[in-house]
Amino acid sequence: GESVGLHLPTLSVQEGDNSIINCAYSNSASDYFIWYKQESGKGPQFIIDIRSNMDKRQGQRVTVLLNKTVKHLSLQIAATQPGDSAVYFCAENNAGNMLTFGGGTRLMVKP
Amino acid sequence: NAGVTQTPKFQVLKTGQSMTLQCAQDMNHEYMSWYRQDPGMGLRLIHYSVGAGITDQGEVPNGYNVSRSTTEDFPLRLLSAAPSQTSVYFCASSSRDRGFGGYTFGSGTRLTVV
Repeated sequence: GESVGLHLPTLSVQEGDNSIINCAYSNSASDYFIWYKQESGKGPQFIIDIRSNMDKRQGQRVTVLLNKTVKHLSLQIAATQPGDSAVYFCAENNAGNMLTFGGGTRLMVKP
Repeated sequence: NAGVTQTPKFQVLKTGQSMTLQCAQDMNHEYMSWYRQDPGMGLRLIHYSVGAGITDQGEVPNGYNVSRSTTEDFPLRLLSAAPSQTSVYFCASSSRDRGFGGYTFGSGTRLTVV
């Protein structure tokens, strides 16, 4: 079936560097994408979202880029901090009643 | 404002036992959903509800029942627990205007079936 997936299971970055987490999706009907952060022992936490009529959206230290041509989504974190260490999930909604999650990428920030 | 509250946080069941995972939200959200998360995997939708009295199946509904008698509560029932149901279960809620993308998640229930 259609699914959302991630290229890298683990990403290790130096504190202060920028991080880029990638996600590929296969459902061309998806029109809404979300990035979640999950810290150990906690539920996912909403970070940022983007609709399919946009290709870029910025938040505080985070930017989501959407490339519909190649069905690719990325999350950029500026000046990565130790508190950013977590598992990051992308998810897609195709105007139906389900949110489909990718498998997750673990971000490790080295001091 | 407690958000989404799940109980219990941990549970061990024997194969064949039944139990109910509780989920309550105090944000007057219309949408509520149950997900399961297996090690190294993303979340998979079990059941969801768009309002009191309305429920529907998600991606992996077999072995689970839900009901939505009030806006606040959305319990998940395991009818006859199996080891394959060992997982972490998350409840989430969202308002109608934010849709399923605006989820607030609970902290999860870690279930082990032996």
